[in-house]
Amino acid sequence: NAGVMQNPRHLVRRRGQEARLRCSPMKGHSHVYWYRQLPEEGLKFMVYLQKENIIDESGMPKERFSAEFPKEGPSILRIQQVVRGDSAAYFCASSPLDGGANVLTFGAGSRLTVL
Amino acid sequence: RKEVEQDPGPFNVPEGATVAFNCTYSNSASQSFFWYRQDCRKEPKLLMSVYSSGNEDGRFTAQLNRASQYISLLIRDSKLSDSATYLCVVNQGGGFKTIFGAGTRLFVKA
Repeated sequence: NAGVMQNPRHLVRRRGQEARLRCSPMKGHSHVYWYRQLPEEGLKFMVYLQKENIIDESGMPKERFSAEFPKEGPSILRIQQVVRGDSAAYFCASSPLDGGANVLTFGAGSRLTVL
Repeated sequence: RKEVEQDPGPFNVPEGATVAFNCTYSNSASQSFFWYRQDCRKEPKLLMSVYSSGNEDGRFTAQLNRASQYISLLIRDSKLSDSATYLCVVNQGGGFKTIFGAGTRLFVKA
């Protein structure tokens, strides 16, 4: 059981480029959550997805950010036209059901650096 | 006001010391509470759940005070390996309504 897999672990982009972060949930988990952690800050909820559905995206910026969780393949968080303020660690978590924080398993995170 | 507030620390304590962290939350409708541990540049991992009756796991004791809306974590006999950031986590119903505090940093020194 490989756990939650995120890649890339580290990503460097120049301003204006696109960043794509991928998350494969634990086997048997159908709920995926994306969080962002800025330096010296807590995790901020971005988006909650189930297969082929965005359930809640209230934490995601309205522009440049999008997320999907297709029927096949990993969940993807996409950031278009990145800016320096997007530099952060992006964590994905998965759960077998929407049951609260005690069933959230986190991936190791993807660290985005925008030059 | 932040939904979950923690003293950022850092707390610098010698090995063997007892250290306590508090956390306050603003939403009285919050349903469940947890402490997570996050090591430097790693993912958060669940440390323990927090119940009104209090719960203990080895050297760790967690307490919840719903009336005052605060949560505490007590670590006894601190070890070097306890050095980490401790995140107070409040769930308002459903995984996507999980609010993380910014964390309290603990450094345990030999």
